[in-house]
Amino acid sequence: DVVMTQTPVSLSLAIGQPASISCKSSQSLVHSDGKTYLSWILQRPGQSPKRLIYLVSKLDSGVPDRFSGSGSETEFTLKISRVEAEDLGVYYCWQATHFPYTFGAGTKLELK
Amino acid sequence: QVQLKESGPGLVQPSQTLSLTCTVSGFSLTSYNVHWVRQPPGKGLEWMGRMRYNGDTSYNSALKSRLSISRDTSKNQVFLKMNSLQTDDTGTYYCTRGGLDYWGQGVMVTVSS
Repeated sequence: DVVMTQTPVSLSLAIGQPASISCKSSQSLVHSDGKTYLSWILQRPGQSPKRLIYLVSKLDSGVPDRFSGSGSETEFTLKISRVEAEDLGVYYCWQATHFPYTFGAGTKLELK
Repeated sequence: QVQLKESGPGLVQPSQTLSLTCTVSGFSLTSYNVHWVRQPPGKGLEWMGRMRYNGDTSYNSALKSRLSISRDTSKNQVFLKMNSLQTDDTGTYYCTRGGLDYWGQGVMVTVSS
């Protein structure tokens, strides 16, 4: 199975600070169709998860442009340019290139 | 609008079978995949399996021997059945569409005698 390693495990940031979360996969996430099926998911406290980014860098509708995704092959990054209160929660990366699909263990963003 | 809603028993006895239903609206099961994802209390997300738009299924290898996913397109429903439940199967079970772009509210399942 593809292991998705997220760092850091937790982040404590003040409003307005930038955030960066890393996700590394144990094998390349480039599919045979040429696409890279890496998504970022946010789960706010007490809520269902919500997808923010798909195909490495494409923002879902309604997601603020302070969020961005980048990376290739086995290394990926989620960045928040300026953290806001609504951004707190647990962030997961998810790969859908290789079966079984797998999630990272999550990064908890807390507000300082 | 797109909606998914999970339903099923909140409590299951150890060694018994869990049966959950995901009822969808706003899209067709013959056009989109539906996944099942679960989350133990206080822990991370685990991908369980997928019903593809064409009726094919794929499963997490760790659960494959216990898990079955099926559907009834006429009722817009996807079903999950998992047997031989143990206490570590306790958690919230979600159904989610396609590339995980829409999620249900989740259903909490407790495995206990």
